[in-house]
Amino acid sequence: QKEVEQDPGPLSVPEGAIVSLNCTYSNSAFQYFMWYRQYSRKGPELLMYTYSSGNKEDGRFTAQVDKSSKYISLFIRDSQPSDSATYLCAMSALQGAGSYQLTFGKGTKLSVIP
Amino acid sequence: DSGVTQTPKHLITATGQRVTLRCSPRSGDLSVYWYQQSLDQGLQFLIQYYNGEERAKGNILERFSAQQFPDLHSELNLSSLELGDSALYFCASSVAGQVTEAFFGQGTRLTVV
Repeated sequence: QKEVEQDPGPLSVPEGAIVSLNCTYSNSAFQYFMWYRQYSRKGPELLMYTYSSGNKEDGRFTAQVDKSSKYISLFIRDSQPSDSATYLCAMSALQGAGSYQLTFGKGTKLSVIP
Repeated sequence: DSGVTQTPKHLITATGQRVTLRCSPRSGDLSVYWYQQSLDQGLQFLIQYYNGEERAKGNILERFSAQQFPDLHSELNLSSLELGDSALYFCASSVAGQVTEAFFGQGTRLTVV
């Protein structure tokens, strides 16, 4: 079992829809949970992160972490064609000496159709 | 633009060769991370440097090595290249060692033929 599992999709939704993206993980030591957006031929861009459990909202984006279920979600409200990208979840645990390293899901490819 | 600069953008080389990928972190960032992204494995952490010293090591092959120089730029050296090394190689940087503040460069696409 991989440490982080993410459905690769592709996921296609109409403009204005609510999008739900999810990841599961197996390492209970993960403390930081992040979502990255990656456009084609570009580097990953950090959207938002959450420490431990709970919800975090930033504009149209909401991140949720359920550590008891080892499950994280990203919701996108009022989705736009410009949201079409690959969304990567990432997680990190303290490795020692203040060092963290990210473990990524494989990414979900999202297309928002006008 | 994240402020992290990677060169070259594209690289095509033959099996058995050696290449060097370069990364200039954002101004003020002391920590540099290297990642490999392939279709089957996704983004894999390779190695992290902080202010010139190796801080963490991930799934980096022995044929690969990296260093961070006094001016904080970093180089990833890949040797005895194999077809399976073809991938996107990303560099990220952050002020300290906190991955939640890491910004990624545009990547170097390596093709081994």
